[in-house]
Amino acid sequence: DSGVTQTPKHLITATGQRVTLRCSPRSGDLSVYWYQQSLDQGLQFLIQYYNGEERAKGNILERFSAQQFPDLHSELNLSSLELGDSALYFCASSVASGVNTGELFFGEGSRLTVL
Amino acid sequence: DQQVKQNSPSLSVQEGRISILNCDYTNSMFDYFLWYKKYPAEGPTFLISISSIKDKNEDGRFTVFLNKSAKHLSLHIVPSQPGDSAVYFCAAVRVGGGADGLTFGKGTHLIIQP
Repeated sequence: DSGVTQTPKHLITATGQRVTLRCSPRSGDLSVYWYQQSLDQGLQFLIQYYNGEERAKGNILERFSAQQFPDLHSELNLSSLELGDSALYFCASSVASGVNTGELFFGEGSRLTVL
Repeated sequence: DQQVKQNSPSLSVQEGRISILNCDYTNSMFDYFLWYKKYPAEGPTFLISISSIKDKNEDGRFTVFLNKSAKHLSLHIVPSQPGDSAVYFCAAVRVGGGADGLTFGKGTHLIIQP
C-alpha cells in the first residue's frame, strides 16, 4: 500500500461526457502528479501540483484540467470525452516540490473506459 | 519523441537465472534513472535508481548499470524469482530543470518461468 488513494477504480462513460478522478496523496506529501497510461504506451506525464499551485504541465489536453485543494487532495477533470481518452490514470505523490531523485508513490489508478 | 525507450515489450526467463532488462535514452541532461515495477491492478512501485554520475548501483538481487556514453542502462535481477514477474518501467528525470515529472519508457513485461 503506497498510501496514495485514487477513486473511482473503474469508470465507464460515453463520448462527450465529463468525469472527475480523485486522488488523495500520502500523508505529508505536498506534490501530486497525474499520469496517463494508454494501451501499449508508457506513463505520460499530464500535470503536477505542489501545495495547491500548478507546478508543471506535460502532455495534457485542453479538455482536461486539474486542481489541488487546501487539504492537498487533487482532482483531474476530463471533459468532452473521446474514445481515445480510454486509459489508466495514475496519481502519484512526493513530499518535495521537484521530482528530485525521481521516487514517486503511485496510487492504484483509475481505469476510464469511454464507449 | 520518445526520450526513454524500452525496445523489448516482453522477456521470458527461467527461475534462478539472470534477468536483464534494457533501456535507452536520448536526453543527455537526465540526472537520475529509475526502475519501477508494476503488478496487474496496482500502481508502479519504485525499485532502484542510479545517479548519472555513477555507473552501478546494487540493492540485493537488483543491480542497475549505466553506460552514459552509450546512453544505455540495464537492470539485472539475480537470481530471478517467480514474484519478479511484472512489468518493469525505466524512467529518467532531470533535476532542477523544472518539476516536469518522470519520463517513462513503455515497459517490459518480465515473465519468470518455473
